[in-house]
Amino acid sequence: TQLLEQSPQFLSIQEGENLTVYCNSSSVFSSLQWYRQEPGEGPVLLVTVVTGGEVKKLKRLTFQFGDARKDSSLHITAAQPGDTGLYLCAELIQGAQKLVFGQGTRLTINP
Amino acid sequence: EAQVTQNPRYLITVTGKKLTVTCSQNMNHEYMSWYRQDPGLGLRQIYYSMNVEVTDKGDVPEGYKVSRKEKRNFPLILESPSPNQTSLYFCASSLRPRGTRTDTQYFGPGTRLTVL
Repeated sequence: TQLLEQSPQFLSIQEGENLTVYCNSSSVFSSLQWYRQEPGEGPVLLVTVVTGGEVKKLKRLTFQFGDARKDSSLHITAAQPGDTGLYLCAELIQGAQKLVFGQGTRLTINP
Repeated sequence: EAQVTQNPRYLITVTGKKLTVTCSQNMNHEYMSWYRQDPGLGLRQIYYSMNVEVTDKGDVPEGYKVSRKEKRNFPLILESPSPNQTSLYFCASSLRPRGTRTDTQYFGPGTRLTVL
């Protein structure tokens, strides 16, 4: 099973700052998903990236898939307290419809 | 409202006492799966089911059983729970994959299990 490494594991910043979190793999991703999980809830899908070099935007969130499809990043502009949560990247194993998750980045945005 | 429900949400039990965590989805999804979430390890798949009466092991199946008698329900059974099964459990469902289609997996709210 592929190992997904997320960094940093913890990040605490002030409201209004920008931040980037990373997801790296030892081998090529088939497709990659980013999830956000809030306390007491299950993960919720934010985006799926499939093509190397792909960039997707979701309001203040920008997701990038590396050209070689072995890494991905999530950039948040002007972070807000509502962005607080656990951000998980996951590879979707095609056919098995199985997700292999990274360990997550726990993000705290302080007012 | 389209959703995945789990019961109970919280459970404290003792070693060896059989328990079942229920999972139900109202989206007519064919695919369902169970994950456990532990600090520093992310979510790991326990079992999955591609359709009624079709189940298979995930990455960490030891100590767990599942059944899929109806499309909407996918219970997780711990015949003889042990303390190392203390964890946060999530059920998820999605449409069955077709080719390269990437279907969204919908997660339930989680069941926090403590085995003493």
